[in-house]
Amino acid sequence: SQTIHQWPATLVQPVGSPLSLECTVEGTSNPNLYWYRQAAGRGLQLLFYSVGIGQISSEVPQNLSASRPQDRQFILSSKKLLLSDSGFYLCAWRAGVPGELFFGEGSRLTVL
Amino acid sequence: AQTVTQSQPEMSVQEAETVTLSCTYDTSESDYYLFWYKQPPSRQMILVIRQEAYKQQNATENRFSVNFQKAAKSFSLKISDSQLGDAAMYFCAYSEDKIIFGKGTRLHILP
Repeated sequence: SQTIHQWPATLVQPVGSPLSLECTVEGTSNPNLYWYRQAAGRGLQLLFYSVGIGQISSEVPQNLSASRPQDRQFILSSKKLLLSDSGFYLCAWRAGVPGELFFGEGSRLTVL
Repeated sequence: AQTVTQSQPEMSVQEAETVTLSCTYDTSESDYYLFWYKQPPSRQMILVIRQEAYKQQNATENRFSVNFQKAAKSFSLKISDSQLGDAAMYFCAYSEDKIIFGKGTRLHILP
């Protein structure tokens, strides 16, 4: 069966520090991968999505970036965190366009 | 650009009663998919129901059903016989290759 893992679960970082959140999917190949951010009291904001290795679409131009170095690995990064980057980050995958999204457990980022 | 609007930030319903959550979306496409997801306090996202735009018949899953009005670009969720476990944040989502979510409706179940 397919599983998705996301880490770290909790992160507290100072302003200006780098960020790396990692997500891996098991039990499937060539998944569509997504990064969302959920700020307090708000909905899910799509940050990046990828339909294949090296193919990244950015929805929100800001100081975050994403990479897909392997088929089932999706990484969210920042060189310098801002206070506004605080939030709950969710990685998700699906097998194809009609399919439902399967979400990871989420990563709570607090930038101080 | 596609947008999804949920106009009810919060709603309350008495246990065993019926509640309808509203969702509208904007798109110029004719072929797409719509979802309702539930996020309980655990924060785990759970699929509630899915609707294909090319299907006129409204989707149903046990106590959950949708009213899909394609021309009006409306996709509401009806929860019948509400239970305490239904208390959660509910998100409407529009899908092509990317999936866009609304801001959510927090549903409270009153015992």
